[in-house]
Amino acid sequence: GQQLNQSPQSMFIQEGEDVSMNCTSSSIFNTWLWYKQDPGEGPVLLIALYKAGELTSNGRLTAQFGITRKDSFLNISASIPSDVGIYFCAGQLDDYKLSFGAGTTVTVRA
Amino acid sequence: SQTIHQWPATLVQPVGSPLSLECTVEGTSNPNLYWYRQAAGRGLQLLFYSVGIGQISSEVPQNLSASRPQDRQFILSSKKLLLSDSGFYLCAWSVRKVRSGNTIYFGEGSWLTVV
Repeated sequence: GQQLNQSPQSMFIQEGEDVSMNCTSSSIFNTWLWYKQDPGEGPVLLIALYKAGELTSNGRLTAQFGITRKDSFLNISASIPSDVGIYFCAGQLDDYKLSFGAGTTVTVRA
Repeated sequence: SQTIHQWPATLVQPVGSPLSLECTVEGTSNPNLYWYRQAAGRGLQLLFYSVGIGQISSEVPQNLSASRPQDRQFILSSKKLLLSDSGFYLCAWSVRKVRSGNTIYFGEGSWLTVV
């Protein structure tokens, strides 16, 4: 699949802070997905984006599908300790497969 | 609601031994099914996907194989494990759609350690 560049690779954040991570691709996608993975568990879907320019929220999480269809970002507002984990972006074009970013590891300082 | 289960959750196997990881999906029919592998601290690599019974597509050359004997059952196998087969294996499913928008849902994962 296409290579996705996800950044930052890791981040330490202060509880209560707003944080942002993003994914970029050299190719366009029709779908962008954001997942969170806790240690030893499977990734859990956070937000799905199906339309260029779409902005979608899920509680304290907000994600946007870039207008160029080559990027997406995820914002977490007012971080709390349970936000710790690895966040993955994934893009899909027109087949059954997803291309995943390498992940952003989030650690919260209490 | 749909659920996905895979087992065993943890497995320690000697080099050269066989492998069988099983995955079942409930609450849906005709799903797309997937096997991913995640090396420690790394992203997810698609190994196999299936759009129907007996239909398997392999993404990377490897020591593993997959089978789909029933609509909602997906099995990952190996005849002889290698040390490099160690990792976290994830089964996943999505609704069958003609166009994109196939949100993929993951199982709990299976830790395989080859010793």
